[in-house]
Amino acid sequence: GAVVSQHPSWVICKSGTSVKIECRSLDFQATTMFWYRQFPKQSLMLMATSNEGSKATYEQGVEKDKFLINHASLTLSTLTVTSAHPEDSSFYICSATQGPRGNSPLHFGNGTRLTVT
Amino acid sequence: SQKIEQNSEALNIQEGKTATLTCNYTNYSPAYLQWYRQDPGRGPVFLLLIRENEKEKRKERLKVTFDTTLKQSLFHITASQPADSATYLCALKQTGANNLFFGTGTRLTVIP
Repeated sequence: GAVVSQHPSWVICKSGTSVKIECRSLDFQATTMFWYRQFPKQSLMLMATSNEGSKATYEQGVEKDKFLINHASLTLSTLTVTSAHPEDSSFYICSATQGPRGNSPLHFGNGTRLTVT
Repeated sequence: SQKIEQNSEALNIQEGKTATLTCNYTNYSPAYLQWYRQDPGRGPVFLLLIRENEKEKRKERLKVTFDTTLKQSLFHITASQPADSATYLCALKQTGANNLFFGTGTRLTVIP
């Protein structure tokens, strides 16, 4: 149980275009999903916390107009990288928690490798 | 400043030995700490959680300790196998916050 599906697994796009990444909880309802970004040999950096039916909470330094997050249902959150630039190339990972926020582990998707040319 | 440091970027050990990975934190008050495994090109997978009032947790060949005085957690894999080769991440949740903060990870290689 507790499977999180993330699509696409990789995407190559041209500079200036937008890319949408989907994150679905397949067998549980996730009121909260998290979006992380990971550079090679670096830690996962939290970008934003996505709450179903409300606006996402962005971490300091993350541009909310560039990284649009929508959490329209209890099983789906999307991250749209708008007007992508080469420096946006990275590994983006979503995660969701199944139970109460306090002690529940995070269930991660398999990530999306974004390359902007 | 706040930091979560994992002892080394890479660790190589012989099959059958015990692997010990270290996670040290600075300027955090963790409510609990978690360990995850991450394989290349994949998302992390949860392994163990230990609360700030717990000293030790075990699960099969895995053992985690938590010393809030030393501000350190140790992660042990006994009777290591080549299939244990992966990057291991520690993550902590600060008291009063909802987010998990991750260390940079240790890449473990178990040599047959």
